[in-house]
Amino acid sequence: SQQGEEDPQALSIQEGENATMNCSYKTSINNLQWYRQNSGRGLVHLILIRSNEREKHSGRLRVTLDTSKKSSSLLITASRAADTASYFCATGAYSGAGSYQLTFGKGTKLSVIP
Amino acid sequence: KAGVTQTPRYLIKTRGQQVTLSCSPISGHRSVSWYQQTPGQGLQFLFEYFSETQRNKGNFPGRFSGRQFSNSRSEMNVSTLELGDSALYLCASSLITGDLSGNTIYFGEGSWLTVV
Repeated sequence: SQQGEEDPQALSIQEGENATMNCSYKTSINNLQWYRQNSGRGLVHLILIRSNEREKHSGRLRVTLDTSKKSSSLLITASRAADTASYFCATGAYSGAGSYQLTFGKGTKLSVIP
Repeated sequence: KAGVTQTPRYLIKTRGQQVTLSCSPISGHRSVSWYQQTPGQGLQFLFEYFSETQRNKGNFPGRFSGRQFSNSRSEMNVSTLELGDSALYLCASSLITGDLSGNTIYFGEGSWLTVV
């Protein structure tokens, strides 16, 4: 079952603009990870933010996490046509057996127009 | 360092047949998990293996099974295929350390299964 929702479902911007995607989730988590998926391809790991972190940066990516609101956001600055892809947030949690599982949202489809 | 490798990349099967998909994790990674991606249901967890033991299983029928070998390579099997099993099957691996909240999951390119 889906843990949460990404917002918006689709986003279209001009090259050079910033893109912001939001993610909400429902249960307690150990961490939250963002992934990119180009059409028909696998998932590329972008960034992991731990449950006790509030913000993290990686290159043009900035991720925030608000555990009190059970929400996260991904900001891509100075977007490029190559950023066109679907973006997924995935919450990570451990079960009692020590197993780790990701629960995904439905994703945001980003289109960057050259 | 090679990433997660999945084979085959594409395959077409007939209803009622069975299929086996293979996954080689990143070297040193002992946890392997499988996910199914469909347009309708999105990305859903199938199961997770660690040291040849299935530790967790998602909400899928018993037709979906898997195993992990001593070298951490994993296979998943789907028997008695149905049209609804058409999907992208993604394998992921992770390095389990004591830092549980820092557990990064890396995915392969997936295996596209079409059931006709």
